[in-house]
Amino acid sequence: EPEVTQTPSHQVTQMGQEVILRCVPISNHLYFYWYRQILGQKVEFLVSFYNNEISEKSEIFDDQFSVERPDGSNFTLKIRSTKLEDSAMYFCASRKASGSSYEQYFGPGTRLTVT
Amino acid sequence: DQQVKQNSPSLSVQEGRISILNCDYTNSMFDYFLWYKKYPAEGPTFLISISSIKDKNEDGRFTVFLNKSAKHLSLHIVPSQPGDSAVYFCAASAVGGATNKLIFGTGTLLAVQP
Repeated sequence: EPEVTQTPSHQVTQMGQEVILRCVPISNHLYFYWYRQILGQKVEFLVSFYNNEISEKSEIFDDQFSVERPDGSNFTLKIRSTKLEDSAMYFCASRKASGSSYEQYFGPGTRLTVT
Repeated sequence: DQQVKQNSPSLSVQEGRISILNCDYTNSMFDYFLWYKKYPAEGPTFLISISSIKDKNEDGRFTVFLNKSAKHLSLHIVPSQPGDSAVYFCAASAVGGATNKLIFGTGTLLAVQP
């Protein structure tokens, strides 16, 4: 069964450094998302991406964040200058084109640790 | 921002019995609801969903009930198995929106005792 994959599984970085989190969504999906979960808190929406542009972003997704779909398979989240509070699990998700089903399928996550 | 609430942080059930997980929401714009199961250090796994035009959806051992007037949904697992032990998240979406972003509850840790 097709699944969303994410790399790396764990990323440790120093405050102020740039990180790129990578995702390969399910191949026939057209909507892509990033969510994050800070330890002990709920899963929070960051950004959605459709038709090669951001369709919605949350208040968390400030100028330090960017997303890109550089080719037909990868979807990346970049944090330009990491802060301690960016430490969290980051989940990529994807879903099919509009229809009767709106399920999003999640990857295994990348644990980002900012020191 | 508590648009989706799961008031029980944990639930313990005996193997073979029914597990009932509850979820409440406040935003009337939500019209699609989903349940996800999550193990530690893994991503959420989709279980079952329901549209607001229905009040029940069943898939094997899993049934979701939706009470729109009460803004309440529940997930029933029958019979419960030890492998069901995980954190269960309720999520809601407004499908008429541009993105169908998911708003998650805080999760309920289900422990199924052998």
